[in-house]
Order: sequence, then structure tokens, then C-alpha cells
Amino acid sequence: DSGVTQTPKHLITATGQRVTLRCSPRSGDLSVYWYQQSLDQGLQFLIQYYNGEERAKGNILERFSAQQFPDLHSELNLSSLELGDSALYFCASSVVGDPEQFFGPGTRLTVL
Amino acid sequence: LAKTTQPISMDSYEGQEVNITCSHNNIATNDYITWYQQFPSQGPRFIIQGYKTKVTNEVASLFIPADRKSSTLSLPRVSLSDTAVYYCLVGDKNTGFQKLVFGTGTRLLVSP
Repeated sequence: DSGVTQTPKHLITATGQRVTLRCSPRSGDLSVYWYQQSLDQGLQFLIQYYNGEERAKGNILERFSAQQFPDLHSELNLSSLELGDSALYFCASSVVGDPEQFFGPGTRLTVL
Repeated sequence: LAKTTQPISMDSYEGQEVNITCSHNNIATNDYITWYQQFPSQGPRFIIQGYKTKVTNEVASLFIPADRKSSTLSLPRVSLSDTAVYYCLVGDKNTGFQKLVFGTGTRLLVSP
């Protein structure tokens, strides 16, 4: 158990819909990262937040957005969903400046 | 960001030592080398990190030559439970290891 929690575990929805994925980091970790893992793309970094502020951006689509709240939990919002958005979405957290990121169990999103 | 190249797959048998080599020819001065392990449908797990020479922990050893253009993860006496995908990454410590780029990884299969 990494200490990072993600909800829901599974999500099935239809194209065009919007979903919100939630992540609670390890106690004390100020940095939260979001990753997407699909079969054909591997593990892709999406975005990082540090103490409520966006710190780094990766290959995140404009249809996707994220935020980190004062209690440090984070949400990843995916809108206008397409079939290709079906993937495992991981959240990770870390101590600032530490290379070790602790990954949550992931949310498996299926878009039908 | 320095790109990494690893073998796509490797096979081994229980009890053998496994060495997975990663190439990172354009590694920068401030980059550290980090290895993660991922089991199917789970988030990656940090294994080891190093900057130069040799680093050892209870799980693995990491060998980095003087030019730092490659690194080798060594897993002593592997067991069936070491079957996983292993990722080599390089990241800038000065930026807090943001935007970790996971390549395709090396799929290790350990057989009885």
C-alpha cells in the first residue's frame, strides 16, 4: 500500500461525457502527479501540482484539466470523452525534491 | 529531457542474476537515473536511484559508468515475483524530478 488513494477504481462511461477522478496523496506529500497509461502509449505524464499550484505540464489534452485543493487532494477532470481516452489513470505523490513518487492503484476508465 | 532506450523484453530463470541496461546518451549534468518496477494493473514502484558509480539497496544495485551515458540495473537471484516491467528514467534534481518520462520499459519474464 503506497498510501495514495484513488477513486473510483473503475469507471465506465459513454463518448462525449465528462468524468472526475479523485486522488488523495500520502500524508505530508505536497506534490501530486497525474499519469495516463494506455496499451499503445505506455505511461504518459499529464500534469503536476505542488501545494495547490500547477508546477509542470506534460502531454495533457485541452479537454482534460486538473486541480489540487487546500487539503492537497487532487481531481482530474476529463471532458468530451473519446474512445481513445480509455486507459488507466494513475495519481502519484512525492515529497518535494525527492525522486521517489508513490503511485496510487489507478482508475480504469472505459469509454464506450 | 534525456531520452532513454532499454531492451523491450528479457527472459530469465529463478535464482539467476538479471542485468537490464539503459542507454541515455544525452543525459545532462543535473540528471539523476531512476528505476521503477510495474506489475500489471498496478502503479509503478520506485526501485533505486543514482547519479554515478554504484548504488545498492535491499532490492537491487545500480551501476553507472563514468560517462553516465548508460546504466545497468542488477537484480540478484530473481524469483517469479520479479516478473514485471522495469522503467529507466532520467530526471533533473534541480527541478524536483518533474515531468518524469517513462519509456516503453523492459518486460522481464522470470520462469521456474
